[in-house]
Amino acid sequence: NAGVTQTPKFRILKIGQSMTLQCTQDMNHNYMYWYRQDPGMGLKLIYYSVGAGITDKGEVPNGYNVSRSTTEDFPLRLELAAPSQTSVYFCASSGGRVNTEAFFGQGTRLTVV
Amino acid sequence: DQQVKQNSPSLSVQEGRISILNCDYTNSMFDYFLWYKKYPAEGPTFLISISSIKDKNEDGRFTVFLNKSAKHLSLHIVPSQPGDSAVYFCRVGGGNQFYFGTGTSLTVIP
Repeated sequence: NAGVTQTPKFRILKIGQSMTLQCTQDMNHNYMYWYRQDPGMGLKLIYYSVGAGITDKGEVPNGYNVSRSTTEDFPLRLELAAPSQTSVYFCASSGGRVNTEAFFGQGTRLTVV
Repeated sequence: DQQVKQNSPSLSVQEGRISILNCDYTNSMFDYFLWYKKYPAEGPTFLISISSIKDKNEDGRFTVFLNKSAKHLSLHIVPSQPGDSAVYFCRVGGGNQFYFGTGTSLTVIP
């Protein structure tokens, strides 16, 4: 079972470049999330989606954009990458409301230099 | 403002003994609480949860306790095993709001 798949696993970006982190899930979950984890910190919610076509901001949305055109896919777009966006990014999905168990991808380690 | 705190960044326990991980939160309206476990280079995996209508939930070696009046959550692992060595995050929330703690790194010494 694939679960939640994130690509790429690692990426180095130069300041000002842009990129898209891909996330796909095969569990037919309505809810999907993007988190970032900085060293020594908990996971911070960037954006989430409660279904195709519906997205909303989390705690730390600045510098990011998302879209949800299908149930399966929830890409995260970084425009004009900055060093402050160096982090590990996790995508997750859940079948129920936002407070139920979520399944996480393996993460994308992004470094902006 | 931190909505949730895990005040112990790390914890070491001998194999076979009890591990107790703690989590404090600020909002008395939070009604759903989860613990996740994370190994290096992997995403977090769900461990156990509890809702505000209960004060205890048990699953094998893992038990979560909720003290609503103190706004305190704890995870007990008995007996601890070397494979339990990981970072443990609590997640608390209600409605559309939910927050992760900063994590506690547990090391179980054989």
